Amino acid sequence: QSALTQPPSASGSPGQSVTISCTGTSSDVGGYNYVSWYQQHPGKAPKLMIYAVSKRPSGVPDRFSGSKSGNTASLTVSGLQAEDEADYYCSSYGGSKISRVFGTGTKVTVL
Amino acid sequence: QVQLQESGPGLVKPSETLSLTCTVSGDSISPSYWGWIRQPPGKGLEWIGYIYYSGSTSYNPSLKSRVTISVDTSKNQFSLNLRSVTAADTAVYYCVREGSNWSLDYWGQGTLVTVSS
Repeated sequence: QSALTQPPSASGSPGQSVTISCTGTSSDVGGYNYVSWYQQHPGKAPKLMIYAVSKRPSGVPDRFSGSKSGNTASLTVSGLQAEDEADYYCSSYGGSKISRVFGTGTKVTVL
Repeated sequence: QVQLQESGPGLVKPSETLSLTCTVSGDSISPSYWGWIRQPPGKGLEWIGYIYYSGSTSYNPSLKSRVTISVDTSKNQFSLNLRSVTAADTAVYYCVREGSNWSLDYWGQGTLVTVSS
């Protein structure tokens, strides 16, 4: 099972919005509402930002939102702040053959 | 507050077995799923596998022939064994808790394991 496809990079100015896509197949992203997103700052462990496509864990700002259409999920960061500069990874349940697949990762730069 | 801490050797020789333990504090290891994720230097995340507190497991097919994940509920720990390692297994290894809806809600800080003679 291949990794989910994300753009290598995305950028925006402070206050703007940036949207990251995560494309899979009907066997993973498209087949289940189990897409999650993780933020990783350099040298740190990833942090859960979105689960079940669009739900936010307690403590995650509402500037972060998730959605899904068909085989593609998206993470939108609104009102970009300097601390949002990080790598972002999507992940999806992959069914019985492989329980979890990750995206290739997107580096978000705040200009 | 749930905390996870990886422990184990930072250097493993090629063809040997990589062994790591994750100690869970702030939560009972049961009844949850616990897993391992790895990240080669400068690269993306790779799912290794998970274990339920009862002992049932699921592994990444690409690693399945070399991986064993086990749990010790009496010590609130779970472990990873990866056999016949090569330089390609050099990575930061994270232990995680599998939360609701197939999300990874708690992560250890990660431990770098280098495979080299």
